[in-house]
Amino acid sequence: QKEVEQDPGPLSVPEGAIVSLNCTYSNSAFQYFMWYRQYSRKGPELLMYTYSSGNKEDGRFTAQVDKSSKYISLFIRDSQPSDSATYLCAMSEVTNDYKLSFGAGTTVTVRA
Amino acid sequence: EAQVTQNPRYLITVTGKKLTVTCSQNMNHEYMSWYRQDPGLGLRQIYYSMNVEVTDKGDVPEGYKVSRKEKRNFPLILESPSPNQTSLYFCASRPRGREAFFGQGTRLTVV
Repeated sequence: QKEVEQDPGPLSVPEGAIVSLNCTYSNSAFQYFMWYRQYSRKGPELLMYTYSSGNKEDGRFTAQVDKSSKYISLFIRDSQPSDSATYLCAMSEVTNDYKLSFGAGTTVTVRA
Repeated sequence: EAQVTQNPRYLITVTGKKLTVTCSQNMNHEYMSWYRQDPGLGLRQIYYSMNVEVTDKGDVPEGYKVSRKEKRNFPLILESPSPNQTSLYFCASRPRGREAFFGQGTRLTVV
């Protein structure tokens, strides 16, 4: 079983819809949680970073962490065609934070 | 501009011919890592470094070597590349307890 599970999709939504992405994990020592966006042929770029349970909002993006259920989510409101990309969740422990564990990534297409 | 720079961006080589992919960061980060990205498998860590002269294996280290002689540089060495090392490679750096910054990637094809 992988440490981090993420549905690879693909996910296709109309412009303006809410995109919901999620990851589950098995390592209860994970305390740092990140979401990255990766456009085709580019390196991943950070979208959201959080280390506590609950919600964190940044513009159209909301990251949600539920440590009791070992479940994290990313919501994209008012989705745009420019949001079409692969979204990767990543997480790390506090004491061994040199290692980031990634989900497989979910490919999202926002249709105009 | 804060960045992680990898070179080359694209590389086609033949089996067994040694190659090096360079990685440099200008953010003074302690941690640096190499990942490979394959369809359906996501990003897998090859090697990481916690500081100068401190390196260790990640999840898929076989066939790779690294060195960290300076804080800013972390080259990836393939002594005898094989076709199963055809992949998209990313270098990343990060400060302790924070997010990683990625390079633009190196697409390697071994024929």
